[in-house]
Amino acid sequence: DVKVTQSSRYLVKRTGEKVFLECVQDMDHENMFWYRQDPGLGLRLIYFSYDVKMKEKGDIPEGYSVSREKKERFSLILESASTNQTSMYLCASNLGQVGNEQFFGPGTRLTVL
Amino acid sequence: DQQVKQNSPSLSVQEGRISILNCDYTNSMFDYFLWYKKYPAEGPTFLISISSIKDKNEDGRFTVFLNKSAKHLSLHIVPSQPGDSAVYFCAANVAGTYKYIFGTGTRLKVLA
Repeated sequence: DVKVTQSSRYLVKRTGEKVFLECVQDMDHENMFWYRQDPGLGLRLIYFSYDVKMKEKGDIPEGYSVSREKKERFSLILESASTNQTSMYLCASNLGQVGNEQFFGPGTRLTVL
Repeated sequence: DQQVKQNSPSLSVQEGRISILNCDYTNSMFDYFLWYKKYPAEGPTFLISISSIKDKNEDGRFTVFLNKSAKHLSLHIVPSQPGDSAVYFCAANVAGTYKYIFGTGTRLKVLA
């Protein structure tokens, strides 16, 4: 079974802190994604990566950056956390073919105070 | 600009009856459509998908219908079971890319 794990289920940070969210997948998937889920807005794509060190902006990249140094690991970085970044963050991965299903991690509930 | 819309935030259905979840899209450049189910405190899990060259795909109790002229797809669950109670998201793959656009979700409640 594909497994996507996220480093924390719950995280509380203060405004202005640097925040790292880590995601690891164990199925050698080429693509990895970061989404945030907010009530009434569904899942919105922040960034995705189709290969090591490669990244593309999604629909809401402002205030975020990403890092993919190894194929299995994709990190989301909030350089200076703000209260409007309080959200559920979901990581996903899939094979490098268009239309393929994505496998999601359990999510990280981030609260920024 | 919401390119993938799920206009019903919630739906309640009796156990054993059919659940129909709807999704509308505005972009003609989607080539695959997918449905995911999400339980609280878990990530979404894939249910079923359909290519834009087809109009129907079936997998057990789940059937997805695609009407390209109306830019509409629907997920039918027959018969509905209490364990189907979850939030359902439709998603569309932007043609030629690895990018997916998700709808806002519909919360399905199946009543025993």
